[in-house]
Amino acid sequence: DQQVKQNSPSLSVQEGRISILNCDYTNSMFDYFLWYKKYPAEGPTFLISISSIKDKNEDGRFTVFLNKSAKHLSLHIVPSQPGDSAVYFCAGLDAGNNRKLIWGLGTSLAVNP
Amino acid sequence: GAGVSQSPSNKVTEKGKDVELRCDPISGHTALYWYRQSLGQGLEFLIYFQGNSAPDKSGLPSDRFSAERTGGSVSTLTIQRTQQEDSAVYLCASSLGHSNTEAFFGQGTRLTVV
Repeated sequence: DQQVKQNSPSLSVQEGRISILNCDYTNSMFDYFLWYKKYPAEGPTFLISISSIKDKNEDGRFTVFLNKSAKHLSLHIVPSQPGDSAVYFCAGLDAGNNRKLIWGLGTSLAVNP
Repeated sequence: GAGVSQSPSNKVTEKGKDVELRCDPISGHTALYWYRQSLGQGLEFLIYFQGNSAPDKSGLPSDRFSAERTGGSVSTLTIQRTQQEDSAVYLCASSLGHSNTEAFFGQGTRLTVV
């Protein structure tokens, strides 16, 4: 049972436009969410996070929105750059399971020049 | 070192042999995860160590897989009688565990079973 779902396996966006990556979750015990970016042949690197008590967190070109009632979060990248092309993983921290990180399967973003 | 270190970075082994993959987490990190990523797939959870708690082994795909974490620091993932389907990148991550901080990943070990 996938507790964190990234329903779009891939996304293609034009340079300069907005990229929106979506993530849905089912576990109401998640109290913190994280987004990671992964380039080929490298380990995932942390990008941005949000606490479940907030609805928005912004860091430069990256903004994460959380809709707790819908159990939905999204990562916005504005403006998108070719260097943003990577796989993006969404993860939730499970406060009810020893703070275990639960991951989505990732969305591959391609930003075209 | 400053980050999570994994060794070896690449491992080619013959089918049926045993392999050991090592992870040195960031000093002071109580939480340690093992994942694997097969070609074109997402992160597959394998095992989770958190402090002195019993490890969460729910992601281990078979009894050929085992992991230890000695002294709450270094971890070893062992795969016995390797099969070709075990070929993947094995990633280790560590975090402070007790607070809302991110997990830091190593560069991974690329395992190829021939």
